[in-house]
Amino acid sequence: ETGVTQSPTHLIKTRGQQVTLRCSSQSGHNTVSWYQQALGQGPQFIFQYYREEENGRGNFPPRFSGLQFPNYSSELNVNALELDDSALYLCASSLIYVPGELFFGEGSRLTVL
Amino acid sequence: AQRVTQPEKLLSVFKGAPVELKCNYSYSGSPELFWYVQYSRQRLQLLLRHISRESIKGFTADLNKGETSFHLKKPFAQEEDSAMYYCALQQYSGGGADGLTFGKGTHLIIQP
Repeated sequence: ETGVTQSPTHLIKTRGQQVTLRCSSQSGHNTVSWYQQALGQGPQFIFQYYREEENGRGNFPPRFSGLQFPNYSSELNVNALELDDSALYLCASSLIYVPGELFFGEGSRLTVL
Repeated sequence: AQRVTQPEKLLSVFKGAPVELKCNYSYSGSPELFWYVQYSRQRLQLLLRHISRESIKGFTADLNKGETSFHLKKPFAQEEDSAMYYCALQQYSGGGADGLTFGKGTHLIIQP
């Protein structure tokens, strides 16, 4: 059984650019969610996907978007990057009928200059 | 709006001493609460959930609706308990279970 994997682990972008982060869910999990963790803060919910559709969203603007694929892998896309987007982005997979029991990846550290 | 508050950013106790990590929440419905832990150089992982009413690694947490608290306790701290601990509250929207609202975390250090 493989755990949640994320790529890339680190990346640097400049303001205004776009970024795509990728996540491979734990085997058998049908739900994926993304969190943003700024330095010194707890993870903040961005959105959740189930059956390839977004079925929950936190307080993030539309320039944060995502995709879930039939194999349950997922992408997080952020357009028009801002300096405040610098953070650790965590992907978590779970089962839809066991909410709250999340299995996290190690994260992608994004730095926006 | 729902909120999770962990008032202590850092908590340092000696090995063998009791530990209590505080968590208070604000939520209008029936809360579902969790504790997550992140050990050094490891990923964030679930420690326990209140509906299970279980003890994991000697830790327990009781939901107190009157005080809107979900404090994490362990009677005798061990050095391997040193980690970052996050309290989290399950969100619900019209479409069902949503994401988790996390507190800012408490860094627990167990001194030898």
